Amino acid sequence: GAGVSQSPRYKVAKRGQDVALRCDPISGHVSLFWYQQALGQGPEFLTYFQNEAQLDKSGLPSDRFFAERPEGSVSTLKIQRTQQEDSAVYLCASSLPPYNEQFFGPGTRLTVL
Amino acid sequence: AQSVSQHNHHVILSEAASLELGCNYSYGGTVNLFWYVQYPGQHLQLLLKYFSGDPLVKGIKGFEAEFIKSKFSFNLRKPSVQWSDTAEYFCAVNIRGGADGLTFGKGTHLIIQP
Repeated sequence: GAGVSQSPRYKVAKRGQDVALRCDPISGHVSLFWYQQALGQGPEFLTYFQNEAQLDKSGLPSDRFFAERPEGSVSTLKIQRTQQEDSAVYLCASSLPPYNEQFFGPGTRLTVL
Repeated sequence: AQSVSQHNHHVILSEAASLELGCNYSYGGTVNLFWYVQYPGQHLQLLLKYFSGDPLVKGIKGFEAEFIKSKFSFNLRKPSVQWSDTAEYFCAVNIRGGADGLTFGKGTHLIIQP
């Protein structure tokens, strides 16, 4: 497709469950970013990949969160033992260096009950 | 670390009114600046960006923004708004030369009354 796609679009999890969120970036885009957007807030940076290398994970809120991009294209954000405070929209974006313009996907809305 | 502040969290205007949304950032070095818009039910879309050169940049749908380095500001403007401009607007910044993530403001919810 022409844009960034994410799946699922909506996810409801019981507290303590593990979830996996998928991002398909724009074909050929080297850089991939994950953000967390809480209700009424701006997106907050979680982590960044260049190809398969995770160059920055400073924004991951706890060791329950980890992300991977094993072949340098599709990425998965995994949250273990979900908590209510993990409820948010998780956004993925991709870009092509040297340009810093990031293209965003529709997001996955995670609700933890 | 850089930060972004948007002064108006909620703005209500009538159609044809002029718009200015404030954005200030804090970072001592050189930055790239962005305005993104999120229409109801849609994903974030880039309105305009500033990397270098002319500090007055024009974006889509008649929007423009002016980078004032001395004020660390990048305010968004539109001379005459339309009902379809109702949306959430986010200012964002990242460090020039670095391929790092964006730092966003908290957003401004703009409502245009017909």
